[in-house]
Amino acid sequence: RKEVEQDPGPFNVPEGATVAFNCTYSNSASQSFFWYRQDCRKEPKLLMSVYSSGNEDGRFTAQLNRASQYISLLIRDSKLSDSATYLCVVNNPASGTYKYIFGTGTRLKVLA
Amino acid sequence: DAMVIQNPRYQVTQFGKPVTLSCSQTLNHNVMYWYQQKSSQAPKLLFHYYDKDFNNEADTPDNFQSRRPNTSFCFLDIRSPGLGDAAMYLCATSRGGSNQPQHFGDGTRLSIL
Repeated sequence: RKEVEQDPGPFNVPEGATVAFNCTYSNSASQSFFWYRQDCRKEPKLLMSVYSSGNEDGRFTAQLNRASQYISLLIRDSKLSDSATYLCVVNNPASGTYKYIFGTGTRLKVLA
Repeated sequence: DAMVIQNPRYQVTQFGKPVTLSCSQTLNHNVMYWYQQKSSQAPKLLFHYYDKDFNNEADTPDNFQSRRPNTSFCFLDIRSPGLGDAAMYLCATSRGGSNQPQHFGDGTRLSIL
């Protein structure tokens, strides 16, 4: 089983729709969680850190479910510019403070 | 405004010809990382530095070396590139300590002829 798993998609949604992705992680000792977006042939860009109590940044909401070992990203009112691959990143300090495990990403296409 | 800068953006080299990729940062972060990313795959950590302390991943081939002469700069040397080394190489930085997000440079896309 992979340490971090994501549905590769693509998720095709119309503009204005709400879409959610999940990311599961296998190591219950994982402590830090992040969502990045990556455009085609570009670098990953930090979208948001994920906090235990959940957090929101504009149209984006991230949640952490420790019991079921997954994090989620909700995008409301999708824009064409949200089309990208969304990478889930997990860190377990016991495996190495600076070892961040990336998922392979979920591809989102927002359609006009 | 770029805070993690990679040069060059595109690099073409010949099979077996050594190549060096560079990364610089203006964030004064303690930690610098090198990742390899192939198409439709997750970034794969090659190694990282905490200040001058070098940490190599167990599965990083010996063909890949790194240097960090000072806080701001870090280099990735590929001694004898093979066709399988064609990829995007990403440099990232973070503050020391856990719970710190990473900040990536634009990447260098390496092609092998």
